[in-house]
Amino acid sequence: GAGVSQTPSNKVTEKGKYVELRCDPISGHTALYWYRQSLGQGPEFLIYFQGTGAADDSGLPNDRFFAVRPEGSVSTLKIQRTERGDSAMYLCASSPSGRGSNTEAFFGQGTRLTVV
Amino acid sequence: AQSVSQHNHHVILSEAASLELGCNYSYGGTVNLFWYVQYPGQHLQLLLKYFSGDPLVKGIKGFEAEFIKSKFSFNLRKPSVQWSDTAEYFCAVNALNFGNEKLTFGTGTRLTIIP
Repeated sequence: GAGVSQTPSNKVTEKGKYVELRCDPISGHTALYWYRQSLGQGPEFLIYFQGTGAADDSGLPNDRFFAVRPEGSVSTLKIQRTERGDSAMYLCASSPSGRGSNTEAFFGQGTRLTVV
Repeated sequence: AQSVSQHNHHVILSEAASLELGCNYSYGGTVNLFWYVQYPGQHLQLLLKYFSGDPLVKGIKGFEAEFIKSKFSFNLRKPSVQWSDTAEYFCAVNALNFGNEKLTFGTGTRLTIIP
């Protein structure tokens, strides 16, 4: 597909469980971003990858959240010991460069995570 | 830290009415500015963007926005709205000094167009 793909589209998990959310960026995009959007709010930045490395993880709320991008393409956001407050829409975006080069980010459909 | 304010949380208009959605940001340095739209059940899509040059930028579907640096504003406008413009609209800013393109979003404005 031509766009950013996120799977699953919906995930319901029990409090305390571990979850993984997957993002397939647009082919050739070196920059990848994760955002979290709670109800009634705008997306909030979590982490930014340039290639395989996490260049900016300042938005991760705590050490239960972790993300990887081992081959510089697909990324996985991992949440340990989930809490009800983690329930939100998790958005992934990719862009061609990411280094302040005046390009735009393209967003996926998101994964709606519900922790019960 | 940068922040974005969208003062209109929910706007209801009739078709053919004119639209202006407010967006103010707080950051003293150079910024890129964006408006994204999210139609019901769809992903965030770019409406328009400002990087440099003419402060009046035109986007898709007849939308435009004006960057007024002295007011730290980037208001979105459309002269005549349509029912299909019903959606959530997000203003976003990227502070170029950060060295990457992470975006800071406003809380969004829900626009409802009455046929």
